[in-house]
Amino acid sequence: EADIYQTPRYLVIGTGKKITLECSQTMGHDKMYWYQQDPGMELHLIHYSYGVNSTEKGDLSSESTVSRIRTEHFPLTLESARPSHTSQYLCASSEGGGAGLGNTIYFGEGSWLTVV
Amino acid sequence: AQSVTQLDSQVPVFEEAPVELRCNYSSSVSVYLFWYVQYPNQGLQLLLKYLSGSTLVESINGFEAEFNKSQTSFHLRKPSVHISDTAEYFCAVSERNSGNTPLVFGKGTRLSVIA
Repeated sequence: EADIYQTPRYLVIGTGKKITLECSQTMGHDKMYWYQQDPGMELHLIHYSYGVNSTEKGDLSSESTVSRIRTEHFPLTLESARPSHTSQYLCASSEGGGAGLGNTIYFGEGSWLTVV
Repeated sequence: AQSVTQLDSQVPVFEEAPVELRCNYSSSVSVYLFWYVQYPNQGLQLLLKYLSGSTLVESINGFEAEFNKSQTSFHLRKPSVHISDTAEYFCAVSERNSGNTPLVFGKGTRLSVIA
């Protein structure tokens, strides 16, 4: 079982609020990812990190930002939430080589965000 | 760039019947292929993966998938499903031997097993 944790699991907030979704892993993985998933749709990569102080934007443009100050922690922040940000956000991590070297990606249970 | 097409968004099947979830991929380079499963209210977890060698790979809970390079497919099958197999199944692809290429996922197939 993967040791990757996301909080909160479910959140309803008002438009304009700032929100940080927390993600932590205890496996010592260098690579971490944030995916966005709307119901019935594919997962879209919005951010990834290859290690401390390394962050990159993914395939899907997102107004969120991330930081990687510690190996085990990869929080995602929305400075001003909008209804269009309503979605499920999935955090994941993998060993150094990532999926491109055949490594497994481990997912957290997801954070459901609803902006009203 | 890679892409994945899961041909069926929903597959209802009776308990103990066989099932096949279809997955086709597109890539100009060699790839690794994965199937992930997402049970209700849980995160995704790896079901099985093809890296090299035998084109038929198996999971511990009776699923198998066969890599077919000529048809660019990686269909998932199980000869007899259980109620507990009800979940969303995602096919995914990554570029082989590229440490900086994230996984690309399909849209998922919702498998509903009917008692």
